[in-house]
Amino acid sequence: GAVVSQHPSWVICKSGTSVKIECRSLDFQATTMFWYRQFPKQSLMLMATSNEGSKATYEQGVEKDKFLINHASLTLSTLTVTSAHPEDSSFYICSALKVAQFFGPGTRLTVL
Amino acid sequence: RKEVEQDPGPFNVPEGATVAFNCTYSNSASQSFFWYRQDCRKEPKLLMSVYSSGNEDGRFTAQLNRASQYISLLIRDSKLSDSATYLCVVKEWDTGKLIFGQGTTLQVKP
Repeated sequence: GAVVSQHPSWVICKSGTSVKIECRSLDFQATTMFWYRQFPKQSLMLMATSNEGSKATYEQGVEKDKFLINHASLTLSTLTVTSAHPEDSSFYICSALKVAQFFGPGTRLTVL
Repeated sequence: RKEVEQDPGPFNVPEGATVAFNCTYSNSASQSFFWYRQDCRKEPKLLMSVYSSGNEDGRFTAQLNRASQYISLLIRDSKLSDSATYLCVVKEWDTGKLIFGQGTTLQVKP
């Protein structure tokens, strides 16, 4: 199998706080994971590529100091949204690479 | 111009109908092609890969035309459970990244 989990599945926070989202590959090891963001009625947009043991590669327009990515092990990548604001409210989805990309169930972030 | 373009729909069809979705992509060096299905407030799930020779999986048929940079998905005998958003996805050969289209929404009605 190729199962990917995300935690939490949803989170509501106040503006200015930081939120950490975990992405785990449960039954395989993934040297590469991806973080996407999806706003309502829009397509998934790749934010960054997370590589185990090295720095993440961010897409153009994504602030690396705001969206901190840590891929400390072959089964876990974390995305921390620092000083979240209402415009960061979105559906955050990770995927792990095992030949194909397998997606986690997503985390719905609402910033008040 | 978007890298992957789809008609967002929605497509409203009765049960049993045949419906076709189209997609165009701009990068001629794209490597692989897929159709994903995404249900409301859920993650995308791989429906099928798309090959130049065309491929079929039950009621679903996918086709790729590299010369025209055009991808299609045909659904025959639509079921209520087919209601979802269908995402056209292109994998770049050099980076391995997946580029998603906006998605086409299908609503199958009884």
